[in-house]
Amino acid sequence: GAVVSQHPSRVICKSGTSVKIECRSLDFQATTMFWYRQFPKQSLMLMATSNEGSKATYEQGVEKDKFLINHASLTLSTLTVTSAHPEDSSFYICSASTTETQYFGPGTRLLVL
Amino acid sequence: AQSVTQPDIHITVSEGASLELRCNYSYGATPYLFWYVQSPGQGLQLLLKYFSGDTLVQGIKGFEAEFKRSQSSFNLRKPSVHWSDAAEYFCAVGGVDYKLSFGAGTTVTVRA
Repeated sequence: GAVVSQHPSRVICKSGTSVKIECRSLDFQATTMFWYRQFPKQSLMLMATSNEGSKATYEQGVEKDKFLINHASLTLSTLTVTSAHPEDSSFYICSASTTETQYFGPGTRLLVL
Repeated sequence: AQSVTQPDIHITVSEGASLELRCNYSYGATPYLFWYVQSPGQGLQLLLKYFSGDTLVQGIKGFEAEFKRSQSSFNLRKPSVHWSDAAEYFCAVGGVDYKLSFGAGTTVTVRA
């Protein structure tokens, strides 16, 4: 139980384009989903928290117009990196939770050329 | 504010030997504590968690952790390490808003 999927697993895009990443809880309904960014050999940095049907809450320093988060249902949240640039290249991981425990997706490797 | 310190960046252990990973946390109330493991290029897998009750927590893959309030610690242990335990290990603390703060991680290398 508590399986979270992410799609795509990796994506390469050109600078200036937008990329959408999906996060799904497959066997449970998630009241809250979180989006993280992880740089090589570093820990996870929380970007934003999203609750179904409401606006995401962004952490300090995260540009909400650049990283658009939509949480349309209890099983799906999407992160759109708008007008991506090479510095946005990173490993993006989502998690889904019902209460105190977060279950993580496998991550999405984004490379912006 | 909550925070987590993992003092050991990298640990090398022989296969079959015991393993202990240290974790110290800072939190104003009773914390929710977690250990996750991450294999290269993968997401995080929950090993175990502590919310309340028995301070010795059993997890998956033969791991256990002990919560010591007096030391603000939640160290992870495994009696006998397997080569497949080579990975990155993260300790995390959560609060009432369910947000997690992660430690910097400890890389475990297992030598034959």
